Amino acid sequence: DAGVIQSPRHEVTEMGQEVTLRCKPISGHDYLFWYRQTMMRGLELLIYFNNNVPIDDSGMPEDRFSAKMPNASFSTLKIQPSEPRDSAVYFCASSTGGQGLQETQYFGPGTRLLVL
Amino acid sequence: GQNIDQPTEMTATEGAIVQINCTYQTSGFNGLFWYQQHAGEAPTFLSYNVLDGLEEKGRFSSFLSRSKGYSYLLLKELQMKDSASYLCAVKGAAGNKLTFGGGTRVLVKP
Repeated sequence: DAGVIQSPRHEVTEMGQEVTLRCKPISGHDYLFWYRQTMMRGLELLIYFNNNVPIDDSGMPEDRFSAKMPNASFSTLKIQPSEPRDSAVYFCASSTGGQGLQETQYFGPGTRLLVL
Repeated sequence: GQNIDQPTEMTATEGAIVQINCTYQTSGFNGLFWYQQHAGEAPTFLSYNVLDGLEEKGRFSSFLSRSKGYSYLLLKELQMKDSASYLCAVKGAAGNKLTFGGGTRVLVKP
């Protein structure tokens, strides 16, 4: 299997611009997670989906952030408008969502976002 | 709420053993995961504990005590490639999400 795929791998943009991050989960995985990682705050869960439905978005920082999962093989995380404090590495992860070891999350390579 | 504590950094010598501790206070408990993350890369799964005791996997072992809210990851016969951050993550009672600790950066010296 190809693993979790994310694009772009790097993004540099200017404050105020819209940013769209993309994720393709591992085929057959029912859960998809979006995380943000910074030195100051570590790895934080933003939102997760089960069978394409958002289950918990309590980690989404504010209305500028939105996430969608139109089908089982694709999800987007959008920031509009972007701000310098959004600069971070954004990871997407997926899992089968069973019990025990089946709940192991597999991470994509991440998108390194820099907002100037 | 969820609170997970790990030391920030540890240094050890190649060939030695290092133990990374993790203490947690969470709303319920349904498993603890350890991940390894090399600089500039994604976290990768190392081990999983849900019952008390030791799980061994080659050079890596992980221990859990649910009554103490405590786990450790033991790395034996350290190699230079083990220099990385190690993240402790707990699955609470509700939902399928994990709460991650801040990670412990391990530096292996020759």
